[in-house]
Amino acid sequence: KQEVTQIPAALSVPEGENLVLNCSFTDSAIYNLQWFRQDPGKGLTSLLLIQSSQREQTSGRLNASLDKSSGRSTLYIAASQPGDSATYLCAVIDNFNKFYFGSGTKLNVKP
Amino acid sequence: DAGVTQSPTHLIKTRGQQVTLRCSPISGHKSVSWYQQVLGQGPQFIFQYYEKEERGRGNFPDRFSARQFPNYSSELNVNALLLGDSALYLCASYSFGSAYNEQFFGPGTRLTVL
Repeated sequence: KQEVTQIPAALSVPEGENLVLNCSFTDSAIYNLQWFRQDPGKGLTSLLLIQSSQREQTSGRLNASLDKSSGRSTLYIAASQPGDSATYLCAVIDNFNKFYFGSGTKLNVKP
Repeated sequence: DAGVTQSPTHLIKTRGQQVTLRCSPISGHKSVSWYQQVLGQGPQFIFQYYEKEERGRGNFPDRFSARQFPNYSSELNVNALLLGDSALYLCASYSFGSAYNEQFFGPGTRLTVL
């Protein structure tokens, strides 16, 4: 059974810092991996999707990497801003298009 | 194009009642999945439907049921509500053969059971 773990559970950083969020998964037979952002009480906003054959994806200040063999992904946020404060969720997608989510990392960027 | 839509946005019920949540997929998408997100946790898979047939079911009791209609919209029904059913219910749709088979999530329905 696929299990997804996100570390740390919470993170507080001063504005401007670069930071890394970690995601690990137990079964390397994945189709895609996707990072989401969730603001309090809101739905999911897709940030980056990485296909299993890819190693990384970039969008603006965000960079996500994938190492399938070791069951790890990282989300790198450059020059963090207070508006980046949210919960970040990692999800692996299997060959049946079923999502397995981690519990998220709650990020607080202090002005 | 409209994204995935869900209704209602919020819902308050009492224990023992029944609830129906609705989801309309993106136009052209024939698959719909449902997820439950309890506060402080990641979403958990409940059901997946494709072409009106159930393709997957998560580890949820029989009180949870769903169906998909000919227009590919979907309903999630929960009977005999428990306090623990309070959660954000998310719907996702995708189209087989689309780029990356990417799924798109709706804004969710927040269910509160008192």
